[in-house]
Amino acid sequence: SQTIHQWPATLVQPVGSPLSLECTVEGTSNPNLYWYRQAAGRGLQLLFYSVGIGQISSEVPQNLSASRPQDRQFILSSKKLLLSDSGFYLCAWRADGGEQYFGPGTRLTVT
Amino acid sequence: AQKITQTQPGMFVQEKEAVTLDCTYDTSDQSYGLFWYKQPSSGEMIFLIYQGSYDEQNATEGRYSLNFQKARKSANLVISASQLGDSAMYFCAMSPPENTDKLIFGTGTRLQVFP
Repeated sequence: SQTIHQWPATLVQPVGSPLSLECTVEGTSNPNLYWYRQAAGRGLQLLFYSVGIGQISSEVPQNLSASRPQDRQFILSSKKLLLSDSGFYLCAWRADGGEQYFGPGTRLTVT
Repeated sequence: AQKITQTQPGMFVQEKEAVTLDCTYDTSDQSYGLFWYKQPSSGEMIFLIYQGSYDEQNATEGRYSLNFQKARKSANLVISASQLGDSAMYFCAMSPPENTDKLIFGTGTRLQVFP
């Protein structure tokens, strides 16, 4: 069965520091992968998605970037964090039926 | 542009009763998908149920059913026999046909089940 991992689970970073969040998927090959952000008390906002290695689509121009160095690995990065980058970051993969399955998430607080 | 609206910020239901969570959507497309997710306090998003716009039957998954009314552009989630563990945020989402990779989420409804 498929499993999706995210780490770290929680992160507190100062403004201006770099960021790297990692997501890996097991049990499936060449999945479509997604990064979402959820602000407190809000719905999910799609940030990036990838249909294959090295293929990244950006949905919202911002302070973040994404990379897919391996088939089942998706990384979210920033060179300099802003206060507005605080939130709950979720990685997901897409099944054949169109539904997406999410990882446990990373709660990021920028101070 | 596609949009999902969930007008109920919070709902209460007694254990063992049924509850309906409302979702309306706005699209000019004929082909789309509708999804419901549950988000407990742990934060993980759990996929519950899917309805395709061309599906004639309402989707059901165990205690979850989707009341799909295409003409009214509504896709309400019905939870039967509520359990305490159903207390969570519930999100409705839609995938537009031009980009089935994209899920557009509503703002969610917080459901609280009391004994």
